[in-house]
Amino acid sequence: IQMTQSPSLLSASVGDRVTLSCKAGQNINNYLAWYQQKLGEAPKLLIYNANSLQTGIPSRFSGSGSGTDFTLTISSLQPEDVATYFCQQYNSWTTFGGGTKLELK
Amino acid sequence: EVQLVESGGGLVQPGRSMKLSCAASGFTFSNYGMAWVRQAPTKGLEWVATISYDGSSTYYRDSVKGRFTISRDNAKSTLYLQMNSLRSEDTATYYCTTPGPEGYWGQGTLVTVSS
Repeated sequence: IQMTQSPSLLSASVGDRVTLSCKAGQNINNYLAWYQQKLGEAPKLLIYNANSLQTGIPSRFSGSGSGTDFTLTISSLQPEDVATYFCQQYNSWTTFGGGTKLELK
Repeated sequence: EVQLVESGGGLVQPGRSMKLSCAASGFTFSNYGMAWVRQAPTKGLEWVATISYDGSSTYYRDSVKGRFTISRDNAKSTLYLQMNSLRSEDTATYYCTTPGPEGYWGQGTLVTVSS
């Protein structure tokens, strides 16, 4: 299943509301996760099952969507949120989106 | 605490073989399907292979079929990836992970295929 993320690069300011998009090539029944990856580190799970916040993740992160269209929202961008964000489907085996690199403006 | 610790990476010549291991702890390994995911330098995440919880089923991306073999030893809580006929395009950091909502990942092991 092809996963397409947009934009590939996003520049935003501290305090901004940020929205990242992920589109699946077919219905993935909300079997979608969002990961944050900082340079030199392993991916870190933020959201699973499209909208469930992983334990220990700040509440400024939220996930939404269903079927084929999904969104990760950061309600108020913090400096430590600079990273690359990946979506992953696990409805059929697993595939990843190409990532959105988030930087500070 | 859940831990996945990969080992076995390093520098290898094209055409040679290498075997990666992933030691799991902190969860009931035998209850989970497992996967290998790789990430080439400065690139995105790419699924490589998946194995069912009991090892009875395995699945591979097309580019590694016939060259890579995923396996597991539930008694040792260890996942393996045997990589044969390695190519330069296999150069990547290899992660073991649970391919579902649990989101367990190791820290990765770097495999560099170069002469």
